Amino acid sequence: DGGITQSPKYLFRKEGQNVTLSCEQNLNHDAMYWYRQDPGQGLRLIYYSQIVNDFQKGDIAEGYSVSREKKESFPLTVTSAQKNPTAFYLCASTPRTPWFSPQHFGDGTRLSIL
Amino acid sequence: DAKTTQPNSMESNEEEPVHLPCNHSTISGTDYIHWYRQLPSQGPEYVIHGLTSNVNNRMASLAIAEDRKSSTLILHRATLRDAAVYYCIHLNFGNEKLTFGTGTRLTIIP
Repeated sequence: DGGITQSPKYLFRKEGQNVTLSCEQNLNHDAMYWYRQDPGQGLRLIYYSQIVNDFQKGDIAEGYSVSREKKESFPLTVTSAQKNPTAFYLCASTPRTPWFSPQHFGDGTRLSIL
Repeated sequence: DAKTTQPNSMESNEEEPVHLPCNHSTISGTDYIHWYRQLPSQGPEYVIHGLTSNVNNRMASLAIAEDRKSSTLILHRATLRDAAVYYCIHLNFGNEKLTFGTGTRLTIIP
């Protein structure tokens, strides 16, 4: 079955450490997204990419970085500059046409600080 | 940003219909209305979307007001597995980013 795979499911970060969250999709979707969710809150957009080798900042990009070298992969790095990284991180993808296509989500990575 | 307003929480009895309301007074003519739901510790799941006409699929029905400033997600016969947070979103052409509010937490009473 096609879908989105996020790994790891749980991740712990030490102070001053960068960590990378993996997101892979086999849906042949062009666009991919990263969201952050804090307890009891909705999702907030971190970065998105509509095509390989191109990406844009979302609403809360500070302290995060991404790359899009392959269509199926969109890894997110949480850098040491992100002072409050504890959250639930969700990756999503969608085809670019039609423009109103629904997004498909992975099962998330829960990041905590040691 | 595209804003929607939903009640924070609702309760319903099992096997009864559930009507989840959403106000989207700033919607424009080409915006689509999407509904997603999120179970605990999982990613959101697409439920249904529509533009003007009412829509039905295997999961739910979407009733859109004539002026499009509100919509209602209808679960025809709620089960315990429908307990989730439901998000209503309207999607702007040219700005195809989902803006999630806090949604409606639906509790199903056995």
